[in-house]
Amino acid sequence: SQQGEEDPQALSIQEGENATMNCSYKTSINNLQWYRQNSGRGLVHLILIRSNEREKHSGRLRVTLDTSKKSSSLLITASRAADTASYFCATEGNSGYSTLTFGKGTMLLVSP
Amino acid sequence: NAGVTQTPKFQVLKTGQSMTLQCAQDMNHEYMSWYRQDPGMGLRLIHYSVGAGITDQGEVPNGYNVSRSTTEDFPLRLLSAAPSQTSVYFCASSQQGGMGGYTFGSGTRLTVV
Repeated sequence: SQQGEEDPQALSIQEGENATMNCSYKTSINNLQWYRQNSGRGLVHLILIRSNEREKHSGRLRVTLDTSKKSSSLLITASRAADTASYFCATEGNSGYSTLTFGKGTMLLVSP
Repeated sequence: NAGVTQTPKFQVLKTGQSMTLQCAQDMNHEYMSWYRQDPGMGLRLIHYSVGAGITDQGEVPNGYNVSRSTTEDFPLRLLSAAPSQTSVYFCASSQQGGMGGYTFGSGTRLTVV
């Protein structure tokens, strides 16, 4: 079953605007990761936040993690048309071996 | 700097045929995984390996076999293809613990008719 659930399922914005995507998960985690997938391509790792971290930045990306609410958000600032893609959150559990459980993704469309 | 290489990129099979999807990585990663991606379902884990000689089942393992004889290669075998196995298949690898994130291949688009 899916661990993460992204919200919204689809998001349409104009270039220059900020895009916020949310992810909720069900079980305890070791870390949470965000990936981008361009149409017809493989997934690209964007950022990882550990369970003991609350916020992390990478370029125009800002990720927050609230383990008490089992939720995370990905903020993309000053969006560009090239940011158009699907974004997935994935969680790595804290028991057993390292595997990722993915949500269903948010489809982001950035219009020029 | 090949990363994770998947072959073939596209394949059409008839129901009942068998085939092997190839996955190779050149980063000396211990962890390798196979996922399938279906519309509206996100990615689901089929099988994974934490090192040569060690494999385990994921969420949707039925109809698939894997083996890991070397660190570099992690092939996925479809034993008797069914239309329900029509999907896009992704192979991924990571350092032990996955703390650096996973590197994904570009995928194999499989259609079973």
